[in-house]
Amino acid sequence: DAKTTQPPSMDCAEGRAANLPCNHSTISGNEYVYWYRQIHSQGPQYIIHGLKNNETNEMASLIITEDRKSSTLILPHATLRDTAVYYCIVRDVDNYGQNFVFGPGTRLSVLP
Amino acid sequence: DAGVIQSPRHEVTEMGQEVTLRCKPISGHDYLFWYRQTMMRGLELLIYFNNNVPIDDSGMPEDRFSAKMPNASFSTLKIQPSEPRDSAVYFCASSSQGPGNTIYFGEGSWLTVV
Repeated sequence: DAKTTQPPSMDCAEGRAANLPCNHSTISGNEYVYWYRQIHSQGPQYIIHGLKNNETNEMASLIITEDRKSSTLILPHATLRDTAVYYCIVRDVDNYGQNFVFGPGTRLSVLP
Repeated sequence: DAGVIQSPRHEVTEMGQEVTLRCKPISGHDYLFWYRQTMMRGLELLIYFNNNVPIDDSGMPEDRFSAKMPNASFSTLKIQPSEPRDSAVYFCASSSQGPGNTIYFGEGSWLTVV
């Protein structure tokens, strides 16, 4: 079973920051937080992941709360091409194949 | 790297026919995954392999489904006989071993069984 909770949908104005929350209150010390997105009719695309510290790459930033029970994916300047379903996943670092479970995700609509 | 390559991209077949989906993982990856996506059930893990050995096939829906990985660069997912309820997008993914490893997905095989 997915161990995360995300809002089913969100809207964001083009050019503004999109902040996508994820609740993972039962996360354990061995579990990473991963974010993927799926643009319609494409395969899921890796965005970013982290364990404890905040992370940033060319696509997004990941902010993890100090207690690690929630996180936020930030797309700093959303474009229409960022419209997609965003999945937050927690995964045990010691069980490489197991527990990579996708929930329903958040459907982000970037509006012009 | 070419990424995970799947074929065919689209297939339409008649009920009762055998369907074979193919996957070439990213070179050097130790893990290969097969997922299925439908509107009703979302993205489901069917089976995964480690070093060509099936590790967990608990997600395979029934005996009509089988998956093989004869070598590190090729895997198949076979449905025999196919049924209309098997219509879905089937994704193959691969990853390397190690803490914080990332799974990379192919573009999927869109299967329609009529």
